[in-house]
Amino acid sequence: SAVISQKPSRDICQRGTSLTIQCQVDSQVTMMFWYRQQPGQSLTLIATANQGSEATYESGFVIDKFPISRPNLTFSTLTVSNMSPEDSSIYLCSVIPRIGSKTSTDTQYFGPGTRLTVL
Amino acid sequence: QQPVQSPQAVILREGEDAVINCSSSKALYSVHWYRQKHGEAPVFLMILLKGGEQKGHEKISASFNEKKQQSSLYLTASQLSYSGTYFCGTDRSTGGSYIPTFGRGTSLIVHP
Repeated sequence: SAVISQKPSRDICQRGTSLTIQCQVDSQVTMMFWYRQQPGQSLTLIATANQGSEATYESGFVIDKFPISRPNLTFSTLTVSNMSPEDSSIYLCSVIPRIGSKTSTDTQYFGPGTRLTVL
Repeated sequence: QQPVQSPQAVILREGEDAVINCSSSKALYSVHWYRQKHGEAPVFLMILLKGGEQKGHEKISASFNEKKQQSSLYLTASQLSYSGTYFCGTDRSTGGSYIPTFGRGTSLIVHP
């Protein structure tokens, strides 16, 4: 299993500023992801955080807006840059401890989320 | 491609049964099911693997039809604690790294 903590748990920010969200896992994991979830909506994948290399972004998300770091197998950060009210959402860190070939045979775990409000 | 879930919402009384469906337009090797309660993070329920293997830890069952690229989650004799939003997750990748993608979710409300 994997226990994930995120900091901060919530924040209220001003338009144009940036916020960095930290994700810490209690064990080394193969894969780390960042999701965004609007209230009552699905989980939208922002990017896969790759250890030691640039993150892999999904369509609609770019590195300049959402820079991601993953310096080791237990930690990652997501920065929401130059924020606007449209960035208000819950940001979730998620991990898969082990990945099989072609298929995931391991559980995907989610952190408690960071609730961001941009004024 | 995001998996498609149905129905969007289900309202039940305690003890009643429900079925939530998940389908994909691409071949599936595995399907994951999660439940999210209001204000909380999604929690793993079950993984279904190609070949019929099923892993889970709650009294909720599921099926996986590889040919039809579909999975169904069965909640029998529902309890109040079953209330929440259920998501199915599949791999969106086409052979590269695993890309977990989720359906829009099915809201389940269980009344006393």
